[in-house]
Amino acid sequence: SQQGEEDPQALSIQEGENATMNCSYKTSINNLQWYRQNSGRGLVHLILIRSNEREKHSGRLRVTLDTSKKSSSLLITASRAADTASYFCATDALHTGNQFYFGTGTSLTVIP
Amino acid sequence: DAGITQSPRYKITETGRQVTLMCHQTWSHSYMFWYRQDLGHGLRLIYYSAAADITDKGEVPDGYVVSRSKTENFPLTLESATRSQTSVYFCASSESLSTWSTDTQYFGPGTRLTVL
Repeated sequence: SQQGEEDPQALSIQEGENATMNCSYKTSINNLQWYRQNSGRGLVHLILIRSNEREKHSGRLRVTLDTSKKSSSLLITASRAADTASYFCATDALHTGNQFYFGTGTSLTVIP
Repeated sequence: DAGITQSPRYKITETGRQVTLMCHQTWSHSYMFWYRQDLGHGLRLIYYSAAADITDKGEVPDGYVVSRSKTENFPLTLESATRSQTSVYFCASSESLSTWSTDTQYFGPGTRLTVL
């Protein structure tokens, strides 16, 4: 399976600290996306990084991609209680057309 | 209001019964998807559709049937529900691009299905 795996599975930090979560995947990809899921809700798109990009920023989010290691990281700086959610990476697969795979997620808790 | 909606939000059924989960989007997005979310598995793609009358299997299609007679609707049917199909089901949609996988997927709020 192409399914990604996030690490750690759960993360608890104090408000104001930075949160880093990682995603590993198995086969070559076109793009990698990160999504957030608040408890009891659907997923919300955060950021997309293409396979030819190494780093991307969006507000307090910073995403890196290392295709040689088949891994990505999501950094949330200056975390807020509202960032408490589960975070998922999602990848396509270079040669399998329309399949789209989500990881198992990192549960982030930001303590006020 | 514009967006993507799912109904029902909660459903309890019994083994062997047929269940249909509804998904409706107002953006006229070409692509629509059904996922199931289970602890320890993340989200897994069940079926997707590139346009009306075009559907294809995802990672875990067994036991499910889909149809797409209209662009805005993408119902998912469990023909004979089993306990292993107890899950949270999410519908999503995305615009059609030449490389669709680069496009953002917009998710519905989910349907929590319990099969007794």
